[in-house]
Amino acid sequence: EGQLVESGGGLVQPGGSLRLSCAASGFTISTYYMSWVRQAPGKGLEWVSVIYIVGTTYYADSVRGRFTISRDNSKGTLSLQMNSLTTEDTAVYYCARQLDYGDAFDVWGQGTVVTVSS
Amino acid sequence: SYVLTQPPSVSAAPGGTAKISCGGNNIGSKTVHWYQQKPGQAPILVISYDSDRPSAIPERFSGSNSGNTATLTITRVEAGDEADYYCQVWDNVIDHRGVFGGGTKLTVL
Repeated sequence: EGQLVESGGGLVQPGGSLRLSCAASGFTISTYYMSWVRQAPGKGLEWVSVIYIVGTTYYADSVRGRFTISRDNSKGTLSLQMNSLTTEDTAVYYCARQLDYGDAFDVWGQGTVVTVSS
Repeated sequence: SYVLTQPPSVSAAPGGTAKISCGGNNIGSKTVHWYQQKPGQAPILVISYDSDRPSAIPERFSGSNSGNTATLTITRVEAGDEADYYCQVWDNVIDHRGVFGGGTKLTVL
């Protein structure tokens, strides 16, 4: 079925940077579209970014220019480099996979918590 | 950008039926996915492609999509169905971006 495990969350000051990782097991990450989805405390789900199988990337307006999604197929990992963080970026960050363009997120990680605070 | 509108809350009695709506401009022309999220847990997929149910999801869960409204229907509601439910589409008008509805809290009375 597959499993995703996020890591790299923590406390960071406004203006700082953080890099999240997502390790895949039980499936080959190179054959899936992979996304990051976040959830601010007490709020709903917000899609952040997607990376296609061929490496094409897209971002939500709220993070474009500050966040960079990437994948290392040889290691089976997905990453999210987050720069110029603000308090608005405080959230649980989930990685999720989809089999094809337009498909649903059928496997989710357990999430990693990012707190941006001084 | 594309907007999905869900009611903040819906309630249903045990054994009853819950209907959760997801409104969007001509959403019937898009593919809608539905997720269930319980407190402190990651979301799980309950309905994909408007009405397809993953094998692990009970038959009590069903979906439909037409016009400007998609609907998640849960029949024979159980206490364990109490959760937040989110609809989701992909918006590819400008580029490819995911869009979630604001979420609906289902309360089992």
